[in-house]
Amino acid sequence: QKEVEQDPGPLSVPEGAIVSLNCTYSNSAFQYFMWYRQYSRKGPELLMYTYSSGNKEDGRFTAQVDKSSKYISLFIRDSQPSDSATYLCAMTWEIQGAQKLVFGQGTRLTINP
Amino acid sequence: DAGITQSPRHKVTETGTPVTLRCHQTENHRYMYWYRQDPGHGLRLIHYSYGVKDTDKGEVSDGYSVSRSKTEDFLLTLESATSSQTSVYFCAITTGLNYGYTFGSGTRLTVV
Repeated sequence: QKEVEQDPGPLSVPEGAIVSLNCTYSNSAFQYFMWYRQYSRKGPELLMYTYSSGNKEDGRFTAQVDKSSKYISLFIRDSQPSDSATYLCAMTWEIQGAQKLVFGQGTRLTINP
Repeated sequence: DAGITQSPRHKVTETGTPVTLRCHQTENHRYMYWYRQDPGHGLRLIHYSYGVKDTDKGEVSDGYSVSRSKTEDFLLTLESATSSQTSVYFCAITTGLNYGYTFGSGTRLTVV
């Protein structure tokens, strides 16, 4: 079993739809929970991060963490074609002072105009 | 990309040849990482460094070595390239536990 499982998609929705992306994890030592967005042939870029259970909003994006269920989600409201990308969940813990990041497989999202 | 560059951007090499990928940062960060990205596997950690000459293995380190002789440079070497090492390689830096990673633009390596 992988430490982080992510729905692989691909996911295709019409413009303006609400998008829900999800990951589950098995390691209770994870401390921070992040979402990265990756455009084609680019490196991942940090979209949101949180360290506690609950919701965190940033514009059209909401990150949700449920530590009791080991489940995280990313919601995108009023989705735009520019949101079309691969979204990767990631979780971290610390070893020898270094942050170790474990990624989900990524969900490829397409927003259709 | 926030002061992190990878070279080369693309490379095609033959099986059995050594290959070195370079990651260069201009922000004096202590921690640097090498990941590979493959379909169905996401991003997997190869090696990381927590200071000059201080490195450690990640989950997929077999067939790879790294060196860090200067803070700004982290080199990834494939001692004898194999077709299974065809991948996109990303370097990353981090400013701290709660700041996430900043990734380079990647190196697309093809081993034929």
